[in-house]
Amino acid sequence: DAGVTQSPTHLIKTRGQHVTLRCSPISGHKSVSWYQQVLGQGPQFIFQYYEKEERGRGNFPDRFSARQFPNYSSELNVNALLLGDSALYLCASKTRDSSYEQYFGPGTRLTVT
Amino acid sequence: DQQVKQNSPSLSVQEGRISILNCDYTNSMFDYFLWYKKYPAEGPTFLISISSIKDKNEDGRFTVFLNKSAKHLSLHIVPSQPGDSAVYFCAARISNFGNEKLTFGTGTRLTIIP
Repeated sequence: DAGVTQSPTHLIKTRGQHVTLRCSPISGHKSVSWYQQVLGQGPQFIFQYYEKEERGRGNFPDRFSARQFPNYSSELNVNALLLGDSALYLCASKTRDSSYEQYFGPGTRLTVT
Repeated sequence: DQQVKQNSPSLSVQEGRISILNCDYTNSMFDYFLWYKKYPAEGPTFLISISSIKDKNEDGRFTVFLNKSAKHLSLHIVPSQPGDSAVYFCAARISNFGNEKLTFGTGTRLTIIP
């Protein structure tokens, strides 16, 4: 089975622009979470979605939004990009709402200039 | 507010010896603790977990110990192998009425010396 896939792999954007990152979970996984990992830090939780509903939100501004589609894939959108948004964005999926074990994708490396 | 802390940014261990990675936390509401391993250009890979009601969990060469009174957990790898060289993240889960989040530490870079 394919693991969690994310696209694109790398992305360069300019301050003020908007970006959309995409994630496809492992087949059968209905829960998707998004994390931001800044260089030298651990992943920071942004959102969790389960069955297309938002189930958790981290301490990120409203410029960050996400959604989950009927096929359980997900998009993370970031508006009005700032230099500080440069990071590795990780998507993770898991089997059911109460399961603690998450499977991570390889991430999307976003650079804001 | 760093609720999960890994105070050692790096650790070097001789091949075949024991590697001990440490993690401290502050929030008593965490119900699960997990260890992830990360290689460059890859996402974190789940290694082992422990429930907050347990004090030890073992899986092959990996053992996690939890000391709730000290709010401390550790990952033991015995024997250490060159393929264990990676960044290790400690993570803690909090679950509240269907909402949940993982809080990660800053990671420890483990280098196994052949």
